[in-house]
Order: sequence, then C-alpha cells, then structure tokens
Amino acid sequence: EAGVTQFPSHSVIEKGQTVTLRCDPISGHDNLYWYRRVMGKEIKFLLHFVKESKQDESGMPNNRFLAERTGGTYSTLKVQPAELEDSGVYFCASSQILGQAMNTEAFFGQGTRLTVV
Amino acid sequence: SQQGEEDPQALSIQEGENATMNCSYKTSINNLQWYRQNSGRGLVHLILIRSNEREKHSGRLRVTLDTSKKSSSLLITASRAADTASYFCATQGRGGTSYGKLTFGQGTILTVHP
Repeated sequence: EAGVTQFPSHSVIEKGQTVTLRCDPISGHDNLYWYRRVMGKEIKFLLHFVKESKQDESGMPNNRFLAERTGGTYSTLKVQPAELEDSGVYFCASSQILGQAMNTEAFFGQGTRLTVV
Repeated sequence: SQQGEEDPQALSIQEGENATMNCSYKTSINNLQWYRQNSGRGLVHLILIRSNEREKHSGRLRVTLDTSKKSSSLLITASRAADTASYFCATQGRGGTSYGKLTFGQGTILTVHP
C-alpha cells in the first residue's frame, strides 16, 4: 500500500513567487492534515480536511496560504506570494475516520522543503 | 514552556545503552504519541498511549504517561546506531473542532555511536 506522498520534495523560489505543494494521502483516508516546521522551531499544525471540507484551518498563518482538497482526494497548499519566513518543511499527514478520528495513528509524508530566497 | 516540550534537546549515547527522552505538555489530552524522523525523511509513528493508560511497550520501546504531571517518557533499550534520529512527542487534545490534530514538541535529537 502506498504511503502519503508529497510533491515536490524540495522547492527553491524567490520572494514574491507562487509555489504549490501537493499531498496525496493514503487511499481511503478521510482526514488530511498539513503541518509546517520552520527552522529551529516545533512542528505546527496548519489545517485539517475531512474529505473535501476544511474542518479546522486555525493554524494557517495568513491569507497568503490557500489549501484545497477538491474531490476529497489529494490536497494542494499554495503560497502566494511567498515570503522569506515561509521557508521550512511542510508535512502532510492522513488518517482514517474511526469514530471521530481520536486515538488513531496519523501517517506522514516525507515533507516538502521550501526555501524562499 | 511549550506544549509537548521535550528534554533533553540532544542526547548522545553509545550503542547498547538505553536512551530516555521526556516530554511535558500543558492541556488535557486524549492521547500522546511519539514519532521519529530520520534525517531528511518523514515522520514515522512509533507508539500511541491513551490518557487512561500509564505504560505501553512496543519492541525495544517503553512509553510512560503521567497525566497528573502532564508528562511522558520514551525509553529505547539496547540502542542501535540505526536509532539515530529526531524524536518528537505529540499530543492529541480533547474535544475541539479538529479531532486528530497533533501538537508537537521541538524534539530530541538522539545520536547513537557505534
């Protein structure tokens, strides 16, 4: 069974440009999460999809970040325009719906390392 | 201190020794999980302990949870060079609109020397 896959693995862009990160969750997983780790800091929650609906986007830093999950399958996270402080590793994770997804393991992708110069 | 704060921040040991990492958190939790990240790779789930559990084992891993002190520990016994990685604790809170959401600590960097 394929795990969570993320594309690209690395991205270097200039300040002001647009970047789109993609996450393919494990097939059948309704929950999809985005997290980010900025250099030297902890991994922070960005948002949570249940199927195609945004369940919680309280961690999104500002309106330069836009996440979508059309059709409830893969998800994209667009940063437009990118700023220097957006540099970091962006992780995607998925899990099944089991009751209310409590006490369930989340499966993480390898992450996308974004560098804004 | 931050939610899911771990100590030590870095730990260096010899192969065969035991490694203990600690984690503290602030709010009520539904469970606490430990993840490992090898350099440049994704996060790998190690073990989940529920709030009503006190200890859990998985192979060479032993996790304890003390909800009264809001703390957990991860013990890796008979460490191997392949255990070299960053280890993170993450808590899953009670209630709220985002079930399944994890709150991570900054992690412990473990280096096991052959």
